[in-house]
Amino acid sequence: KQEVTQIPAALSVPEGENLVLNCSFTDSAIYNLQWFRQDPGKGLTSLLLIQSSQREQTSGRLNASLDKSSGRSTLYIAASQPGDSATYLCAVTGSARQLTFGSGTQLTVLP
Amino acid sequence: SAVISQKPSRDICQRGTSLTIQCQVDSQVTMMFWYRQQPGQSLTLIATANQGSEATYESGFVIDKFPISRPNLTFSTLTVSNMSPEDSSIYLCSVVRGQSSAYEQYFGPGTRLTVT
Repeated sequence: KQEVTQIPAALSVPEGENLVLNCSFTDSAIYNLQWFRQDPGKGLTSLLLIQSSQREQTSGRLNASLDKSSGRSTLYIAASQPGDSATYLCAVTGSARQLTFGSGTQLTVLP
Repeated sequence: SAVISQKPSRDICQRGTSLTIQCQVDSQVTMMFWYRQQPGQSLTLIATANQGSEATYESGFVIDKFPISRPNLTFSTLTVSNMSPEDSSIYLCSVVRGQSSAYEQYFGPGTRLTVT
């Protein structure tokens, strides 16, 4: 059974810092990996999708990497802003296209 | 991307009653999923809603408690039956778009359910 772990569970940084969120998964037979953002009481916003054949994806200040063989992904956020404060969720897609989620990293960016 | 709407956005219900949550997508999709997010927790897949056949449930979830309908390729409902306070959660539907490993999953805004 796939298990997804995210470290750290919570992170607080001053504005302007670069930061890295970590995600690991136990079964490397994945179709892809997605990073989501969730604001309190809200739904999920897809940030980045990395296909199983890819090593990284970039969108603006966000960069996500994938090392499928070692079961790891990182989300890099450059020049963090208070508006980046949210919970970040990593999820991997299995053969039936269902997502298995990590428990999330709650990020607070202090002005 | 996909535009997904859910109704209701939130509700407060009495224990023992049932609530049906609707999910509408802006275009036809093959695969729809229902997830639950309990307070302070991550998302857990309840079931895959299949058009024209019964839903496929994950371990720990049963049809009697969470009946699902999928009458067409743009719409699905999830019913939370005989509710108890433990059912208080955010319920989200999602769809898959794209092909092969490039498919991406999109989520509705969620339905926040509180059972008293």
